[in-house]
Amino acid sequence: QQQVKQSPQSLIVQKGGISIINCAYENTAFDYFPWYQQFPGKGPALLIAIRPDVSEKKEGRFTISFNKSAKQFSLHIMDSQPGDSATYFCAASSWTSGTYKYIFGTGTRLKVLA
Amino acid sequence: KAGVTQTPRYLIKTRGQQVTLSCSPISGHRSVSWYQQTPGQGLQFLFEYFSETQRNKGNFPGRFSGRQFSNSRSEMNVSTLELGDSALYLCASRDTRGGMNTEAFFGQGTRLTVV
Repeated sequence: QQQVKQSPQSLIVQKGGISIINCAYENTAFDYFPWYQQFPGKGPALLIAIRPDVSEKKEGRFTISFNKSAKQFSLHIMDSQPGDSATYFCAASSWTSGTYKYIFGTGTRLKVLA
Repeated sequence: KAGVTQTPRYLIKTRGQQVTLSCSPISGHRSVSWYQQTPGQGLQFLFEYFSETQRNKGNFPGRFSGRQFSNSRSEMNVSTLELGDSALYLCASRDTRGGMNTEAFFGQGTRLTVV
């Protein structure tokens, strides 16, 4: 019940295309859903995050779509660029044992072809 | 504001040895979490410290331990190293003031190789 399932494992997209990464969860106590972007040799950095009281959040070319009833959320990267090539992690967080605990997906390696 | 600083960046150790990794959180952040990142496994939660107390622990053997100092700096120790401990160890700090669930800021990690 604590898992966050992320797909696909890897994704290749042409420059200018749309990249879509999906995540699903079971625990309805999760109340914060961030997406992290990680470049080789770097730590993950927050890209965009959403709370369950909204169904969509957009920041530039990045959009999170959130479906509370289906317990799914996804990241859409519009007009994908080679510079977007990185590993993307979804996460879900809830108040557990006196702290906010994060559960991460297994990651999606995105490659955007020039 | 300086980010999360992890030292050292790279380490090579021999099986059976022990290792200590260090993490300095962002100034004012009192929560420090540690994660192990391996290919295919993603980020696995090790433990979280807040005000020098361990608040949460993941499913790792007792060889993995940590502590936090009064200035919020944290160390992670792995004893009796095994080949499977080779991984990128990430530290993340959070600002817990305000009470809401907030962003975790990650350091660049320590790449540990056990030979």
